[in-house]
Amino acid sequence: QTVVTQEPSLTVSPGGTVTLTCASSTGVVTSGHYPNWFQQKPGQAPRALIYSTTQKHPWTPARFSGSLLGGKAALTLSGVQPEDEAAYHCLVYYGGTWVFGGGTKLTVL
Amino acid sequence: EVQLVESGGKLIQPGGSLRLSCAASGFGFHDYWMAWVRQAPGKGLEWVANIKQDGSEKYYVNSVAGRFTISRDYAKTLLFLQMNSLRVEDTAVYYCATFCGGDCRSREYFQHWGQGTLVIVSS
Repeated sequence: QTVVTQEPSLTVSPGGTVTLTCASSTGVVTSGHYPNWFQQKPGQAPRALIYSTTQKHPWTPARFSGSLLGGKAALTLSGVQPEDEAAYHCLVYYGGTWVFGGGTKLTVL
Repeated sequence: EVQLVESGGKLIQPGGSLRLSCAASGFGFHDYWMAWVRQAPGKGLEWVANIKQDGSEKYYVNSVAGRFTISRDYAKTLLFLQMNSLRVEDTAVYYCATFCGGDCRSREYFQHWGQGTLVIVSS
């Protein structure tokens, strides 16, 4: 049973920078796992932000960026806005199965 | 505008069966793999199943394989999830989503989502 692990919660100040990570129980996360990132606000459906490690959707704000960092997938928010307060979910591909992380609750305070 | 509207969720007893539906519009339904994702109360997301454009390939998470069946109706642009032998742990909001377009080469997974339908399995 593959497990994908994210920080349960993080806090950032408005205007600050924060990096969320996504680790795999099988080892290093690579571009071949095609990590995707999603944002979900309370009572709403998830919204796609990043696909294939670094690629943005047309609606993804420029302050969001994806990368690989220290063997994990990472989502960095630069110049955080109050409306960025949300849960963030990563998704990793394992050859015929797709596993979400447990999500990170980001508080902007 | 892409629209995905789920229906069929309700309170059901353990061991029961339920069929969820998702009405798709505003995009080329025939061009997309489609999927179901669920979210238990207060928990993270879990991929449940996906289906290729022509229905020739289907994949399931281990916990539902053999109990759930994903299918699609091209004429009516509907996606279905037949759920049998339901368990308490299947309680969740079930989301319909576009899985990826074409041959999925871009790896843009779950680009569009519906608002979800709640399934509660309880006696």
